[in-house]
Amino acid sequence: SYVLTQPPSVSVAPGQTARITCGGNNIGSKSVHWYQQKPGQAPVLVVYDDSDRPSGIPERFSGSNSGNTATLTISRVEAGDEADYYCQVWDSSSDQGVFGGGTKLTVL
Amino acid sequence: QVQLVQSGAEVKKPGASVKVSCKASGYTFTSYDINWVRQATGQGLEWMGWMNPNSGNTGYAQKFQGRVTMTRNTSISTAYMELSSLRSEDTAVYYCARVPHYYDSSGYFPYGMDVWGQGTTVTVSS
Repeated sequence: SYVLTQPPSVSVAPGQTARITCGGNNIGSKSVHWYQQKPGQAPVLVVYDDSDRPSGIPERFSGSNSGNTATLTISRVEAGDEADYYCQVWDSSSDQGVFGGGTKLTVL
Repeated sequence: QVQLVQSGAEVKKPGASVKVSCKASGYTFTSYDINWVRQATGQGLEWMGWMNPNSGNTGYAQKFQGRVTMTRNTSISTAYMELSSLRSEDTAVYYCARVPHYYDSSGYFPYGMDVWGQGTTVTVSS
């Protein structure tokens, strides 16, 4: 089955840029979606189809995808961005959804 | 507004079954797939399966094949997820989520899960 690999944690100071990676075999050929989850809350979609943002999501959130790595970039990080972030793809070879293990973003 | 409202918390004994409901409002229920995702305490998100409310077609993660059934009642815009033969490892929060999608000659293309239910806690304990 298809595997997505994320770093367990990323730390960044307020105002700086956070980059969270999601690795997978030829992930650049798939559409990657990113979710933000704060403690005790349901996940929220922050980027879909590699780099599109749902309405209401700040422009500070952006995504890219190429080769074996997709990246969620959060610019001008704020304290409120502290959360777990998950990448997700649809694996057409098995007709199944797949999540990465999640990355905890800490704002120092 | 667009929302998914799930049924309340459940406590079940090992070997029992649980059925969680997910009521949609604010959009056309049959126009979007429903996915189910679960999360054990302190763990990551785990995809369980999908259902097309229009056709009733379903697809399940291999891990849950034979134990999970996803159904719907279009007259009340409600999706259901039933998990059987429960064990302690099934203790988790279960979420339903709406998934926009399209089909073409190449296959099925779901977009991200853009609306989520509030989650239903299922506790399996003797």
